Amino acid sequence: DSGVTQTPKHLITATGQRVTLRCSPRSGDLSVYWYQQSLDQGLQFLIQYYNGEERAKGNILERFSAQQFPDLHSELNLSSLELGDSALYFCASSVGVDGAYEQYFGPGTRLTVT
Amino acid sequence: AQKITQTQPGMFVQEKEAVTLDCTYDTSDQSYGLFWYKQPSSGEMIFLIYQGSYDEQNATEGRYSLNFQKARKSANLVISASQLGDSAMYFCAMRETSSGGSYIPTFGRGTSLIVHP
Repeated sequence: DSGVTQTPKHLITATGQRVTLRCSPRSGDLSVYWYQQSLDQGLQFLIQYYNGEERAKGNILERFSAQQFPDLHSELNLSSLELGDSALYFCASSVGVDGAYEQYFGPGTRLTVT
Repeated sequence: AQKITQTQPGMFVQEKEAVTLDCTYDTSDQSYGLFWYKQPSSGEMIFLIYQGSYDEQNATEGRYSLNFQKARKSANLVISASQLGDSAMYFCAMRETSSGGSYIPTFGRGTSLIVHP
């Protein structure tokens, strides 16, 4: 158990809908990262927050947004969902801001868009 | 161009033997970090080992060691004394600096390792 929690574990929804994925980092970790893992794209970095502020942006679509709250939990919002958004979404946390420390991954949320 | 290349989509090893998983990277940064993660069939990503670009010694963590050859831009993972529980996907990853000064992690496509009894 990495200490990172993600909810829900599975999510099935229809095209055009909006969903919110939630992540609680390990105690003491200030950085939260979001990743998308799919068969065709592999593991793609989406976005990083550090202590409530957006820190780094990767291949995140404009339909996707995230935030980190004062209690350090984070939410990833996916809107206008398309079939291609079906993937495993991971949240990870780390102590530092600069990625020099290992990241601890949550169990992931499997999103299926039908 | 891919920043992290893992050329072995699948590897097989006999239990108790050592195995090397290849990883080459591409960066123009002077300061960067290299990581290896394991993803068992259950799906979770497990951190294994980290090597900083300025670290002169190869990183080791138990049965895992990282064979870091900076001039060749390679960071191969060596697993000694393989165990059945080592069967999993293994991902090489790099942390480098973006043009905006933030640190972006990039993952390879992974290598599937199967350990035979």
